[in-house]
Amino acid sequence: SYELTQPPSVSVSPGQTARITCSGDALPKKYAYWYQQKSGQAPVLVIYEDSKRPSGIPERFSGSSSGTMATLTISGAQVEDEADYYCYSTDSSGNQVFGTGTKVTVL
Amino acid sequence: QVQLVQSGSELKKPGASVKVSCKASGYTFTSYAMNWVRQAPGQGLEWMGWINTNTGNPTYAQGFTGRFVFSLDTSVSTAYLQISSLKAEDTAVYYCAREGSAYPDYWGQGTLVTVSS
Repeated sequence: SYELTQPPSVSVSPGQTARITCSGDALPKKYAYWYQQKSGQAPVLVIYEDSKRPSGIPERFSGSSSGTMATLTISGAQVEDEADYYCYSTDSSGNQVFGTGTKVTVL
Repeated sequence: QVQLVQSGSELKKPGASVKVSCKASGYTFTSYAMNWVRQAPGQGLEWMGWINTNTGNPTYAQGFTGRFVFSLDTSVSTAYLQISSLKAEDTAVYYCAREGSAYPDYWGQGTLVTVSS
């Protein structure tokens, strides 16, 4: 089955830049989406269609995609950005899948 | 505003069944498909599949066939997830999430299903 691979964890100091990668064979042809999940809460969309930001999401969140890798960047990370982040996409058959997830620590 | 409100936590014994509900409001229920997502304790998100709320046709992800059933009651704008022959490994939070433009956009609050003897 199709897999989207992320690093298990990323640590960043407040105000610095965090980058989270998502690797998948179908990403050259499929959009990536990114969700933020804080402890005990439902996921929240922070990036859609590789690089678009939903209304209400801070400008420090940005996305990009090149080849088989999509990247979520948090520029000037804040303590409140500490959360689990998941990429999401589809395979060539249209089956949907979440990435393995990345725990972002801001300290 | 769009809201998805799920039923409360459940504690079930192995072998029993459970039915989780997801009541939608703030939009036309049959205009958007509904996804189901599982999250085991301390684990990541797993897409279980989705149901076409217009036709009632379900699609199940690999690993979620047989004991898992998606259904609807469009008269009350509610989607259901039923799991039969429960096992300890079914212990998880189950989310419903509306399918927006090719991605889940609005999520329910989640329902914790605990399977324990």
